[in-house]
Amino acid sequence: DAEITQSPRHKITETGRQVTLACHQTWNHNNMFWYRQDLGHGLRLIHYSYGVQDTNKGEVSDGYSVSRSNTEDLPLTLESAASSQTSVYFCASSSGQGDHEQYFGPGTRLTVT
Amino acid sequence: GEDVEQSLFLSVREGDSSVINCTYTDSSSTYLYWYKQEPGAGLQLLTYIFSNMDMKQDQRLTVLLNKKDKHLSLRIADTQTGDSAIYFCAEKTYDMRFGAGTRLTVKP
Repeated sequence: DAEITQSPRHKITETGRQVTLACHQTWNHNNMFWYRQDLGHGLRLIHYSYGVQDTNKGEVSDGYSVSRSNTEDLPLTLESAASSQTSVYFCASSSGQGDHEQYFGPGTRLTVT
Repeated sequence: GEDVEQSLFLSVREGDSSVINCTYTDSSSTYLYWYKQEPGAGLQLLTYIFSNMDMKQDQRLTVLLNKKDKHLSLRIADTQTGDSAIYFCAEKTYDMRFGAGTRLTVKP
């Protein structure tokens, strides 16, 4: 069955370290998204991609980067982790055909100490 | 930026109807969505409504849209304990914007 997976599911890191969160989908979807979920804020869009080699900044992109070298993967990199980046991170994908349903991964809980 | 707002908590008794409300500010929203998040999981799309519609019904779910007041609601009929979750309202113009989520608790 097609799916979207994230790894790791939990990560603890120190301030200043580089961290990469993986997202992999097997639906062959063109669109992929990264969100962060914080109490009282719902989901906020970090970066998104509409296809290979395409990346775009979302609402809260500072301190994050993404790259899209193939259809299946959109890794999210925190260049120098900060405590303010402690959050739950969700990856999502959609087909781009009308785009109504974004399929979400199970999330990665990141703690920056 | 444009905002999507929801009340944070709702508690109902099993068998009652639940109504979760949402307001948004972007008048150019094309689609509005309701997502459900169960503990430890990602979001699942429950239903969506196009901005030129007033109402959409899907089994126990009824979505009402008042475009003039920018108000969206989700009614769950005959609420069950399995409906306990966080419900997110979202609107889409270019990007998806989510509300903070309403935690629905269903008491037996």
